[in-house]
Amino acid sequence: KAGVTQTPRYLIKTRGQQVTLSCSPISGHRSVSWYQQTPGQGLQFLFEYFSETQRNKGNFPGRFSGRQFSNSRSEMNVSTLELGDSALYLCATGTSGRFNEQFFGPGTRLTVL
Amino acid sequence: SQQGEEDPQALSIQEGENATMNCSYKTSINNLQWYRQNSGRGLVHLILIRSNEREKHSGRLRVTLDTSKKSSSLLITASRAADTASYFCATDVRQGGSEKLVFGKGTKLTVNP
Repeated sequence: KAGVTQTPRYLIKTRGQQVTLSCSPISGHRSVSWYQQTPGQGLQFLFEYFSETQRNKGNFPGRFSGRQFSNSRSEMNVSTLELGDSALYLCATGTSGRFNEQFFGPGTRLTVL
Repeated sequence: SQQGEEDPQALSIQEGENATMNCSYKTSINNLQWYRQNSGRGLVHLILIRSNEREKHSGRLRVTLDTSKKSSSLLITASRAADTASYFCATDVRQGGSEKLVFGKGTKLTVNP
């Protein structure tokens, strides 16, 4: 099976812009979670989608949003970018809920200038 | 604050030696997982131990769980240079009607050839 893919791999934006990141899960995986990883805060949970519904949510402002399509692919959007949004954004997929074994993509490195 | 905290933050050993990393957490859990991350890339699932298990093995990995002390340890035996990576523990946490996987800040392991 193909692994989890994320596009783009690298992105440079300026403050105030918005960005959309994409995650394609492993075939058969219906749960997609998003994480932000920074040197200071580590890995932080953004949200989880399952069957096109946001099922769980972390403690991020409303500028961070996401959606999931019927084929389980997911997108994450960040509006009005801030310098502090510079991070590695990782998506992880799984077969069901309860956060058992998660399969991570390679991540999207976002730099905000 | 982080649910899981790894200790030590960094560990440097020689090839062939054993490496032990510890993780402490704060709330009750269903399971605890360990992941590995090579520099700036996606995480790879290593092992999952359920709350009713005390020890689990997978190849050169041994994980223990002590729910009374809210702690876990990951032992890598006969380490290799390829084991150089950051290692994270992760626990599932229910908070405010939402569930999420919470990662510690990780232990950076360096195995010198």
